[in-house]
Amino acid sequence: AQKITQTQPGMFVQEKEAVTLDCTYDTSDQSYGLFWYKQPSSGEMIFLIYQGSYDEQNATEGRYSLNFQKARKSANLVISASQLGDSAMYFCAMRALYTGTASKLTFGTGTRLQVTL
Amino acid sequence: DTGVSQDPRHKITKRGQNVTFRCDPISEHNRLYWYRQTLGQGPEFLTYFQNEAQLEKSRLLSDRFSAERPKGSFSTLEIQRTEQGDSAMYLCASSPPVSHRANTGELFFGEGSRLTVL
Repeated sequence: AQKITQTQPGMFVQEKEAVTLDCTYDTSDQSYGLFWYKQPSSGEMIFLIYQGSYDEQNATEGRYSLNFQKARKSANLVISASQLGDSAMYFCAMRALYTGTASKLTFGTGTRLQVTL
Repeated sequence: DTGVSQDPRHKITKRGQNVTFRCDPISEHNRLYWYRQTLGQGPEFLTYFQNEAQLEKSRLLSDRFSAERPKGSFSTLEIQRTEQGDSAMYLCASSPPVSHRANTGELFFGEGSRLTVL
């Protein structure tokens, strides 16, 4: 079984500042993938970034980076230079990686980020 | 627009009525998923199709719920005899074949169908 924990229900950050959204996970799988999705008020889940459990380097995608600490089972999302458009719900998710598995993702409860002027 | 589309976006119904949601995935994606998201929670997996075959169903999917993907393209999710506890956002997602280049297992989501049961 997999479990994702996001302990920050809400976060505030000033425009142009960096913010870290926390995510810890628990799994018995040896090989897994970690994801972050953004959900604006429109409802659509937007993929942001992916980290494989065997990737040696932390993933980066533009202003997004994933701080992966395998021993701590954490996969925090760092957003640099926050913009007003970053205000949304952010979900951490994971799935097992083995042959034949569906991409069934397990999600956390999310963190609502509010970017202020 | 070549993304995942869902219809209707909003549905208000009375308890006991049946509702049906439709999902059109990205055309080259052979995998299709339904998730349910209640207020303040993350999406929860309901069911998964590979082509027309329904390969996995969550225990959340009671016998009042049925999903189909008859031709391996669009999918429908029907809820019979709706209850107030069914009120939620129903999200559809698709993903390409495992062999697809650079497939990380990322799911491509639609905007969801919000159900309100009165």
